[in-house]
Amino acid sequence: AQTVTQSQPEMSVQEAETVTLSCTYDTSESDYYLFWYKQPPSRQMILVIRQEAYKQQNATENRFSVNFQKAAKSFSLKISDSQLGDAAMYFCAYISPGGTSYGKLTFGQGTILTVHP
Amino acid sequence: DGGITQSPKYLFRKEGQNVTLSCEQNLNHDAMYWYRQDPGQGLRLIYYSQIVNDFQKGDIAEGYSVSREKKESFPLTVTSAQKNPTAFYLCASSPTSPTVDEQYFGPGTRLTVT
Repeated sequence: AQTVTQSQPEMSVQEAETVTLSCTYDTSESDYYLFWYKQPPSRQMILVIRQEAYKQQNATENRFSVNFQKAAKSFSLKISDSQLGDAAMYFCAYISPGGTSYGKLTFGQGTILTVHP
Repeated sequence: DGGITQSPKYLFRKEGQNVTLSCEQNLNHDAMYWYRQDPGQGLRLIYYSQIVNDFQKGDIAEGYSVSREKKESFPLTVTSAQKNPTAFYLCASSPTSPTVDEQYFGPGTRLTVT
């Protein structure tokens, strides 16, 4: 079964600084997609960024970028120029179009990010 | 505006009672999902539906039931057989089925059973 692991229960960063959140996953599939979701105190889940496994280029969305290492099964999220509004729980998630987990999203345990002014 | 609505935001029930959580979407999405979130844990899939009148069990379906009579609606019933029903419940949908598309989430329902 696919698993997603976030080894950092909590992280903190100073406003305007850069922070990296870690995520590793385990799968036997070759085709899959990875996501980072943000859950602010309102608890609304918001998609931050997605990465297709077949793409070698790392995805970027404004201040958010990923470091996707397929061989190492690692998918970290870098937040640059951190803002107070970035404070939230961040979830790494995996989905595959094949295998027994067809179309099912698997989440990591989450990392709470605190941003200090 | 298109989106997913869940009602109510907070729900309180006595132990032994069944309770139904509402989820409605006007995004014209085929697939809908129910997740449970507990403190310190990620989201866990309860049930999902890829098409009207069809649904499949997720990883933690015991004590829950669903129906999908309309494309827009996917209600979740928490039965008295669910041993630890107090949790935050999130509904989601995605455009196509089967899919690896982004899932869109509702605002959630906090269920407290005493």
